[in-house]
Amino acid sequence: EAGVAQSPRYKIIEKRQSVAFWCNPISGHATLYWYQQILGQGPKLLIQFQNNGVVDDSQLPKDRFSAERLKGVDSTLKIQPAKLEDSAVYLCASSTGQESTDTQYFGPGTRLTVL
Amino acid sequence: KNQVEQSPQSLIILEGKNCTLQCNYTVSPFSNLRWYKQDTGRGPVSLTIMTFSENTKSNGRYTATLDADTKQSSLHITASQLSDSASYICVVSRSWGKLQFGAGTQVVVTP
Repeated sequence: EAGVAQSPRYKIIEKRQSVAFWCNPISGHATLYWYQQILGQGPKLLIQFQNNGVVDDSQLPKDRFSAERLKGVDSTLKIQPAKLEDSAVYLCASSTGQESTDTQYFGPGTRLTVL
Repeated sequence: KNQVEQSPQSLIILEGKNCTLQCNYTVSPFSNLRWYKQDTGRGPVSLTIMTFSENTKSNGRYTATLDADTKQSSLHITASQLSDSASYICVVSRSWGKLQFGAGTQVVVTP
């Protein structure tokens, strides 16, 4: 079974620039998550999709972050404009969405450095 | 406030030895508790998931315990191997799919 794919793996940009991350979840997984993980901390949920609908985006800084999941499969997360404090690893995860004990499968993450 | 606190922050153990990691939480309502292993540069991988009614679960050399009354969990690693070097993250689920992550315990296994 193929895992969660993310690209790019690394990205370095200057502050105020824009950046986009891509995620391809495990085939058939209805639920997709984007997390932000700052060095030394646990992941923080940014947004959760169920199919192509948003379930939870309460911690997404909507003035600069946006995400979409067209057709309920792939997803993109965009930051515009980036700030220094956005430097982090952005993790995508997916699950079947069928039970509360669903395992979330994580991708390798995209490490973003904002200079 | 929903919190998940882990201790110690980091530890170093000799290969072959055992160790125990702790997790205390104040998350409410409680649905389930998970332990994840995160290797450097990789995404977290699920080790165990325990619901309210379960007080222990094993996955190979990893054994997790849960005391839902005191809101404490532990992860015991038996006969540690070099490949066990990683960050171990305690995650508590409040409800469907909503996870609260701890900061993790960084484990270093030395030869």
